[in-house]
Amino acid sequence: TQLLEQSPQFLSIQEGENLTVYCNSSSVFSSLQWYRQEPGEGPVLLVTVVTGGEVKKLKRLTFQFGDARKDSSLHITAAQPGDTGLYLCAGAQQDTGFQKLVFGTGTRLLVSP
Amino acid sequence: DTEVTQTPKHLVMGMTNKKSLKCEQHMGHRAMYWYKQKAKKPPELMFVYSYEKLSINESVPSRFSPECPNSSLLNLHLHALQPEDSALYLCASSQLKAGDEQFFGPGTRLTVL
Repeated sequence: TQLLEQSPQFLSIQEGENLTVYCNSSSVFSSLQWYRQEPGEGPVLLVTVVTGGEVKKLKRLTFQFGDARKDSSLHITAAQPGDTGLYLCAGAQQDTGFQKLVFGTGTRLLVSP
Repeated sequence: DTEVTQTPKHLVMGMTNKKSLKCEQHMGHRAMYWYKQKAKKPPELMFVYSYEKLSINESVPSRFSPECPNSSLLNLHLHALQPEDSALYLCASSQLKAGDEQFFGPGTRLTVL
């Protein structure tokens, strides 16, 4: 079974702080996606990284894909209460014509005002 | 239209009931997915349809029966469920290409009494 381990599992910080979430695996992925999920809602796609070493920025969020395409990180600068949610990484593996997602264990972020 | 819709939002059913969950997308995606998500856990893949044909069944019990009437619609028929089947059921869709991204619907919160 392929696993994507995320750390930390839970993070509680004050508004304005910076944080980094890590997503690690021993498997290689063709791409990796980051999602944010609010309670009772579906995951919302934030970004997809495809190339080893790739860095993508989305406002205050910076995503990096490891050189070997086995790991990824998400860095949030100056966190805001609206960043609160469950962050999921998901590695994509090719399976007979489509990509199967392997989800990470999740990081629950709480940003207090 | 970049949205995946799911109905109903909430469903409560008894163990002898028959009900169906519905999912719709109009993005021209040719792959559609059903996931099950228990509280504080990542989504678990149940079924994958590719070009309206069932491509993957992740050893899901037969009390869950998927159906793909056309390229925009995906149903999940439920019959004789157990209380442990209570969960958030998520539908997703994607194009069938390299660097594929899955887009999720808001989910159906199912409670089995």
